[in-house]
Amino acid sequence: GEDVEQSLFLSVREGDSSVINCTYTDSSSTYLYWYKQEPGAGLQLLTYIFSNMDMKQDQRLTVLLNKKDKHLSLRIADTQTGDSAIYFCAEGETGKLIFGQGTTLQVKP
Amino acid sequence: DSGVTQTPKHLITATGQRVTLRCSPRSGDLSVYWYQQSLDQGLQFLIQYYNGEERAKGNILERFSAQQFPDLHSELNLSSLELGDSALYFCASSPRDFLYNEQFFGPGTRLTVL
Repeated sequence: GEDVEQSLFLSVREGDSSVINCTYTDSSSTYLYWYKQEPGAGLQLLTYIFSNMDMKQDQRLTVLLNKKDKHLSLRIADTQTGDSAIYFCAEGETGKLIFGQGTTLQVKP
Repeated sequence: DSGVTQTPKHLITATGQRVTLRCSPRSGDLSVYWYQQSLDQGLQFLIQYYNGEERAKGNILERFSAQQFPDLHSELNLSSLELGDSALYFCASSPRDFLYNEQFFGPGTRLTVL
């Protein structure tokens, strides 16, 4: 069945780059998404990538997609303390999104 | 603020009871989705409605039901509640039922079953 896997925790120093990784199983997914959840809040879409793309850059965010290995990554450049949150990758077509377990990003000053 | 509203914010109830969670989608959005977020199961899709019709179903228990009304707001009904139903329930909305599926999430309703 469909499954999305993420590492659970990442700790970085302020100013460093963060790389959050995700693997997925559904090769038919047309879009893959990265969502951010801050404490006590709902999920907010950060960025997405279309499956025929290898890379997408959006300001400090870079998404890399390796479709052969079904591997997705999110790189946050110049990570700030305000980036501390849980990051979810998700895949899905119309209807439901399948989310990973979420990666907690801790940014140390 | 995503524009999706959910009420109530917190709900505390006892086992065996029934509750109704309410969601108002963003203005103009036709699709509503319900998700359950718990520590052991993570974020799980429950059900989707599009313009009043059920469109997709996930791991939704038979004790749970949902509907979307003509004004597009949605309600999730949870009955015969068990301790394990304690979770954060999110509603999300999107403009249409389409391949690119940016979903806008509400702040969630935290349900505690005692």
